[in-house]
Amino acid sequence: RKEVEQDPGPFNVPEGATVAFNCTYSNSASQSFFWYRQDCRKEPKLLMSVYSSGNEDGRFTAQLNRASQYISLLIRDSKLSDSATYLCVVKGLTGGGNKLTFGTGTQLKVEL
Amino acid sequence: EAGVTQFPSHSVIEKGQTVTLRCDPISGHDNLYWYRRVMGKEIKFLLHFVKESKQDESGMPNNRFLAERTGGTYSTLKVQPAELEDSGVYFCASSPDRAVNGYTFGSGTRLTVV
Repeated sequence: RKEVEQDPGPFNVPEGATVAFNCTYSNSASQSFFWYRQDCRKEPKLLMSVYSSGNEDGRFTAQLNRASQYISLLIRDSKLSDSATYLCVVKGLTGGGNKLTFGTGTQLKVEL
Repeated sequence: EAGVTQFPSHSVIEKGQTVTLRCDPISGHDNLYWYRRVMGKEIKFLLHFVKESKQDESGMPNNRFLAERTGGTYSTLKVQPAELEDSGVYFCASSPDRAVNGYTFGSGTRLTVV
């Protein structure tokens, strides 16, 4: 079993739709959680951190459920520019706690 | 503020050759990380420097890979001799001490071994 699991997609949605991505992680001792965005042939960029209390940044809402070891990302009113791969990332599974562990990513395609 | 810089952006080498990748972290960032993504797989951790010391090198695949960070500034990752399975994108990232958020990644070096 992978340490961080995501549905690879692709998710093809029309512009304006709401789309949700899910992610599960295997190690309950994980410390921090993030969603990264990666455009084709580019580096991953931090989209937002994820907290148990839930956090929102504009059209993006992230949620962490530690009991279920489950992370979600909700994108409302999808834009064409949201098309990218969304990476679920967990920090602190091993060693000194600074290591990032990535899921394989979920591909999103927003269409007209 | 300059970001994380990686060089070269692309490299195509023959199996058995040597390649050296370079990463310049954000100025003042003590933590420097190497990650790589091979085709069809997730991005995976290779190693972590704190200043010039290797904090965690548990992700280094084998002894053909050698990372250095002399003086605690830029870092190099040497692959010698390169094998076909080493092809992929090598990312470097840096963070300040006690970073509570994610890191800043460089744009990566796309390595192709033929």
